Amino acid sequence: NAGVTQTPKFQVLKTGQSMTLQCAQDMNHNSMYWYRQDPGMGLRLIYYSASEGTTDKGEVPNGYNVSRLNKREFSLRLESAAPSQTSVYFCASSGGQLGTGELFFGEGSRLTVL
Amino acid sequence: AQSVTQPDIHITVSEGASLELRCNYSYGATPYLFWYVQSPGQGLQLLLKYFSGDTLVQGIKGFEAEFKRSQSSFNLRKPSVHWSDAAEYFCAVGGKEYGNKLVFGAGTILRVKS
Repeated sequence: NAGVTQTPKFQVLKTGQSMTLQCAQDMNHNSMYWYRQDPGMGLRLIYYSASEGTTDKGEVPNGYNVSRLNKREFSLRLESAAPSQTSVYFCASSGGQLGTGELFFGEGSRLTVL
Repeated sequence: AQSVTQPDIHITVSEGASLELRCNYSYGATPYLFWYVQSPGQGLQLLLKYFSGDTLVQGIKGFEAEFKRSQSSFNLRKPSVHWSDAAEYFCAVGGKEYGNKLVFGAGTILRVKS
């Protein structure tokens, strides 16, 4: 019963390096999301995808790109990592209408940028 | 302007004591309201949600929440706290007035003392 799976769980990057966070869900959900979590700031939406083939910016999209590869997979790419992108990243999916349905979260990816 | 306010960053309660975590949202005639819990190193899990109907909703793990439209609040309660309830709790609001996206509060860290 996998649910939402994120990889990698931990990553250390140097400033300027690039990397991709992978996310896959096996619940046949239409909507997928990427959030970042920082102390005292809750979860902030980076990008979301309402359905396969569509992506939209959230609250904090600068410095990130996403790809909705198919219905199952939604990846987040940092092209040139900056220390301000040190955070815990969560992928989530939902079967309901955007903003109204329960979100199912992965376990998170902890990224440190030196 | 902050859409979701959780006024308490940290709360400490004794095991067996009652608990109330506060949540206020900024606007919305028909908000979709959620409480999520996050254990250390884990993703978020849904505790309960309110869309319409009875303003007192029951959730998992013995939690309940009451929607008060006049106060724009959705406070989480539990009559008797267990040590395993120690975690971080997030209130979230969604719906059309929030651009059909889910907006999270900053979170409240609950500590339980024995």
